[in-house]
Amino acid sequence: GAVVSQHPSRVICKSGTSVKIECRSLDFQATTMFWYRQFPKQSLMLMATSNEGSKATYEQGVEKDKFLINHASLTLSTLTVTSAHPEDSSFYICSAAEGPNQPQHFGDGTRLSIL
Amino acid sequence: QKEVEQNSGPLSVPEGAIASLNCTYSDRGSQSFFWYRQYSGKSPELIMFIYSNGDKEDGRFTAQLNKASQYVSLLIRDSQPSDSATYLCAVLPRGQGGKLIFGQGTELSVKP
Repeated sequence: GAVVSQHPSRVICKSGTSVKIECRSLDFQATTMFWYRQFPKQSLMLMATSNEGSKATYEQGVEKDKFLINHASLTLSTLTVTSAHPEDSSFYICSAAEGPNQPQHFGDGTRLSIL
Repeated sequence: QKEVEQNSGPLSVPEGAIASLNCTYSDRGSQSFFWYRQYSGKSPELIMFIYSNGDKEDGRFTAQLNKASQYVSLLIRDSQPSDSATYLCAVLPRGQGGKLIFGQGTELSVKP
């Protein structure tokens, strides 16, 4: 159980393109979903916390207009990287939790490369 | 002081040995504690969680929690080369909306 599906797994696109990443909890309802970014050899960095039906809470330094998060249902959250540039190239990972004290389960991640 | 501290390693153990991974945390109000394994280039995978003081065993893995000492550890018995990965300790503080605080991770290398 507790499977989180993330798509796509890899994206390569030109600078200026907007990229949408989907995160789905397949066998449980996720009250909260989280979006992380990880650069090579570095720690996970939380970007934002997303609760179903409400606006995402962004971490300090993360541009909300750049990284649009939608959590329209208890099983789906999306992250859109708008007008992506090479510095946005990174490994983006979502996670989902069934409740506030429950473990977070991670998707497989999306490797984004902006040329 | 970092909120969650782990030795970055690398920790090297021979195949078949016990690997001991340690983690300390600063927030006494923390309620839940998690160990994740992350292989290079992959996303983290939950391997253990513990809420109460004492030991919790699952197969070759044992998590140990001591809230008085603000210390949580992970023991891996009969270590295998496939256990070679970075192990992330994560702590769930009270009143943070479910946000985990991660340690920097300990890199474990199991030598055949």
